[in-house]
Amino acid sequence: NAGVTQTPKFRVLKTGQSMTLLCAQDMNHEYMYWYRQDPGMGLRLIHYSVGEGTTAKGEVPDGYNVSRLKKQNFLLGLESAAPSQTSVYFCASRSLRDGRGNSPLHFGNGTRLTVT
Amino acid sequence: GQQVMQIPQYQHVQEGEDFTTYCNSSTTLSNIQWYKQRPGGHPVFLIQLVKSGEVKKQKRLTFQFGEAKKNSSLHITATQTTDVGTYFCAGRANAGGTSYGKLTFGQGTILTVHP
Repeated sequence: NAGVTQTPKFRVLKTGQSMTLLCAQDMNHEYMYWYRQDPGMGLRLIHYSVGEGTTAKGEVPDGYNVSRLKKQNFLLGLESAAPSQTSVYFCASRSLRDGRGNSPLHFGNGTRLTVT
Repeated sequence: GQQVMQIPQYQHVQEGEDFTTYCNSSTTLSNIQWYKQRPGGHPVFLIQLVKSGEVKKQKRLTFQFGEAKKNSSLHITATQTTDVGTYFCAGRANAGGTSYGKLTFGQGTILTVHP
């Protein structure tokens, strides 16, 4: 049981290049999330998905696109990378709420992206 | 939109001292969760509070949820070097639509413990 797996772990891009970050979870979780973490800013939600085939915008969606074609995968795309997108990206997943509130988030190990 | 503010941003303590971080939301929360992130690691779930005025303990950690469900705190008694890391609160507002899926994080409190 691997939990939440993110690939790649590190990436360096030049301004204007594109890339896709992959998140895979093997816990059969319905909800999946992409956060970015920057010093002093905490974790900011980029996009999230409440089920296969559905996505929604978070706090900072501009410059990113996502897709959830399969329940276990959540892809984050950068079409034209900018230096402001230099950050650590975390994927997370969780199961449907249990009636007593939200279930906990399970995070991947993160992807460190640098855009020069 | 919903905002979750967390203070202080940094806290340096001597080993054995107590530590508290506070979380305040601009809107009433359905529940609040706390996470710990070790340096270089990813956030790990600690606990969830759901009821107004709820208090929960985990060994030296005490978590509180305010009566109005708009604030929360984490208190660590007699800190140890293993407590080093960033502590985040995350709250979900009482709202409809797909927003039930959203968890908004505070900025986090970075705790350093000097031996």
